[in-house]
Amino acid sequence: QKEVEQNSGPLSVPEGAIASLNCTYSDRGSQSFFWYRQYSGKSPELIMSIYSNGDKEDGRFTAQLNKASQYVSLLIRDSQPSDSATYLCAVNRPYSSASKIIFGSGTRLSIRP
Amino acid sequence: DGGITQSPKYLFRKEGQNVTLSCEQNLNHDAMYWYRQDPGQGLRLIYYSQIVNDFQKGDIAEGYSVSREKKESFPLTVTSAQKNPTAFYLCASSYVLTLTDTQYFGPGTRLTVL
Repeated sequence: QKEVEQNSGPLSVPEGAIASLNCTYSDRGSQSFFWYRQYSGKSPELIMSIYSNGDKEDGRFTAQLNKASQYVSLLIRDSQPSDSATYLCAVNRPYSSASKIIFGSGTRLSIRP
Repeated sequence: DGGITQSPKYLFRKEGQNVTLSCEQNLNHDAMYWYRQDPGQGLRLIYYSQIVNDFQKGDIAEGYSVSREKKESFPLTVTSAQKNPTAFYLCASSYVLTLTDTQYFGPGTRLTVL
């Protein structure tokens, strides 16, 4: 089992709709969760971080965390073509000396006009 | 402008050569990191450093070396011992290694072995 799992996609969503991206993680001790957006050929850009159960909203983005189910998601409302990118989920690994944050392999999102 | 810079953007290496990738930050961050990304893959940690003159191996350190002589700089050398070095290399930094630390990334260096 991978430490951080994401559906690789591509996820195709019509413009104006809600895009829902999901991520599961294996370490129950994890306490910090991040969503990064990565355009093709570019470096990842942090768009959301969440540390407690529930929802956190920032503009069109909402991060949802459920620690009991070891599940974190990202909702993008009113999807725009500029949202087309790969979204990386990242989770901290608090008891590891080698790597504090583990990244999933990403979900490719495509917003169709 | 505050940020993280990496150079060069593109780098070509012949087999058997060592190459050094530059990473500089002016964010006054304590910690710096090097990641490798292969097509369709997530980021894998190569090395990280919390303070000057100290660094730790990540998950895939074999064939790589680093130094941290200044807080602002964390160069990565890809040695000839790295068997498959062609990849996208990303440098990142953060304030401290806490449970809530947030990492910010440089623009990356794409290394190709000819």
